[in-house]
Amino acid sequence: DTEVTQTPKHLVMGMTNKKSLKCEQHMGHRAMYWYKQKAKKPPELMFVYSYEKLSINESVPSRFSPECPNSSLLNLHLHALQPEDSALYLCASSQAVTGYGANVLTFGAGSRLTVL
Amino acid sequence: DQQVKQNSPSLSVQEGRISILNCDYTNSMFDYFLWYKKYPAEGPTFLISISSIKDKNEDGRFTVFLNKSAKHLSLHIVPSQPGDSAVYFCAASVAGNQFYFGTGTSLTVIP
Repeated sequence: DTEVTQTPKHLVMGMTNKKSLKCEQHMGHRAMYWYKQKAKKPPELMFVYSYEKLSINESVPSRFSPECPNSSLLNLHLHALQPEDSALYLCASSQAVTGYGANVLTFGAGSRLTVL
Repeated sequence: DQQVKQNSPSLSVQEGRISILNCDYTNSMFDYFLWYKKYPAEGPTFLISISSIKDKNEDGRFTVFLNKSAKHLSLHIVPSQPGDSAVYFCAASVAGNQFYFGTGTSLTVIP
């Protein structure tokens, strides 16, 4: 299995809702990432988990809360979002956070989030 | 502040010709670079990588060139095929950590 699976593909939520994005990989990768991508912009790193521990938080607002229940799963909990948070949220995984020789990010197809 | 830039938002090339996509970076600490290809409604797909100990890496029709002194890398696709039409992102990192992506170049290969 060489895929990263993200659900849901599309999500529409109000500013008072609580929702979650889910990501799953079965490649034995020990690093998992959340990126945010807005139209005509590059993917922006949000969080990195390494061996199920949060290793990087790129100063992301607390209304985004990541969770890594095990080495195959990564969640992004959403609460009290703003319309400007509407974007494509991409999950990725890689073999390891350090050691660039084998560190290639494998991306999921993304979850398209719209905040009303 | 954008550390990785792709100054050409779009590029059109005839089928069979060479496509050259360019990428510039500002952080001299970057030592590992990747190119990704993205189709609409799909996640980016890894194409080819290069580390700073090399100045060229080749994989089939794809070749990446790195000019460290100019902080510039380029992706050459020869020959270009219609299926290569997609958005191409370059990404840079320090030792494989925290990949920073460029804004992307939309390549159209005309049959």
